[in-house]
Amino acid sequence: IAGITQAPTSQILAAGRRMTLRCTQDMRHNAMYWYRQDLGLGLRLIHYSNTAGTTGKGEVPDGYSVSRANTDDFPLTLASAVPSQTSVYFCATTGTRNTGELFFGEGSRLTVL
Amino acid sequence: KQEVTQIPAALSVPEGENLVLNCSFTDSAIYNLQWFRQDPGKGLTSLLLIQSSQREQTSGRLNASLDKSSGRSTLYIAASQPGDSATYLCAVTRVPGNTPLVFGKGTRLSVIA
Repeated sequence: IAGITQAPTSQILAAGRRMTLRCTQDMRHNAMYWYRQDLGLGLRLIHYSNTAGTTGKGEVPDGYSVSRANTDDFPLTLASAVPSQTSVYFCATTGTRNTGELFFGEGSRLTVL
Repeated sequence: KQEVTQIPAALSVPEGENLVLNCSFTDSAIYNLQWFRQDPGKGLTSLLLIQSSQREQTSGRLNASLDKSSGRSTLYIAASQPGDSATYLCAVTRVPGNTPLVFGKGTRLSVIA
């Protein structure tokens, strides 16, 4: 059972480069989310998608973009990475029972130099 | 704006002790509250989910309570074990359901053998 797969697990990136973090789920969940986790700041929502074809901005969307072409995939793109985007990024989904229970991927650790 | 606070930020207890972790939220109009566990370098694992209409949920040695009117939740861990050492986070969703969670910054628990 894969659940939520994130790739890459870790990446070092030069500032100014473009980077896409991938998130794929096999649970057919409607809602998907991207969070970043930083020491002292906790988890903050970047973007979300309640269903395929729709996206919304979270608490810290600047510098990031997302797309939701289908149910399973929810990539997060950094168009021009900056050092402040160094973080651990988590993709999450909400179950189809509509209880709001959240399931997380294992995270992608990104370092921007 | 919903704010979630967890106190203490860190807690160290001897093995076998019963303990309580606290979570408070500023807006009582929540859809549900979840408790998560996060091991170092890992993603978040859902422990318990309490719907707004419920008062508590239990799973094994864990019991979570919810008091919406006072904006509080507690996670009770009975007979703590070294394997319980992790960071515990609480998060709330606001009405209606399927909207993104707001997280506390977590309590880092160490259970000493």
